[in-house]
Amino acid sequence: GDSVTQTEGQVTVSESKSLIINCTYSATSIAYPNLFWYVRYPGEGLQLLLKVITAGQKGSSRGFEATYNKETTSFHLQKASVQESDSAVYYCAPGTQVVGQLTFGSGTRLQVYA
Amino acid sequence: EAAVTQSPRNKVAVTGGKVTLSCNQTNNHNNMYWYRQDTGHGLRLIHYSYGAGSTEKGDIPDGYKASRPSQENFSLILELATPSQTSVYFCASGDGGREQYFGPGTRLTVL
Repeated sequence: GDSVTQTEGQVTVSESKSLIINCTYSATSIAYPNLFWYVRYPGEGLQLLLKVITAGQKGSSRGFEATYNKETTSFHLQKASVQESDSAVYYCAPGTQVVGQLTFGSGTRLQVYA
Repeated sequence: EAAVTQSPRNKVAVTGGKVTLSCNQTNNHNNMYWYRQDTGHGLRLIHYSYGAGSTEKGDIPDGYKASRPSQENFSLILELATPSQTSVYFCASGDGGREQYFGPGTRLTVL
């Protein structure tokens, strides 16, 4: 919803090129969140890609990285060199610390071509 | 390994009918969640639970009830289904602010 804004629609990238999927959240709606990126690969269920629970720290997994920037309330997902197997839908999802409620962005479909 | 299962996987219901979606987790997590996902949107939280016997309203609870009879089971109930409730529903389990584990989803069509 409006609380989370991420790169909309589909992103098409050539294999071995770099990628950034933007994500910002509203600090008035989600104060002191834990930050997550979830991914859905074709034919599979939604699964965690990476998480960061402390501002200023970086999370990484499968070559993807994201840094929790409290000042800009952002958690952009980056990868230096994408592969065809990275083609999937990516969701940014800030979560509350205690209850763990997640607020999802609308999702970004990444299509990597050879 | 973490496991969240949902049943049924697909459901066709008629307007005004009652629909119950079931979720089971073997993770022994305290918290469980129900989300719906519509085309072009992320998942939106309907109801959640802290543990057996508790249910709490999420962001879009209208038209839905929830039931948590045990640690393992969490149901979503549509007493009077409407076409606007046609969607894909996901159940998840988790503990506090840590990772949530999602089920495979239930595709519900209300005619």
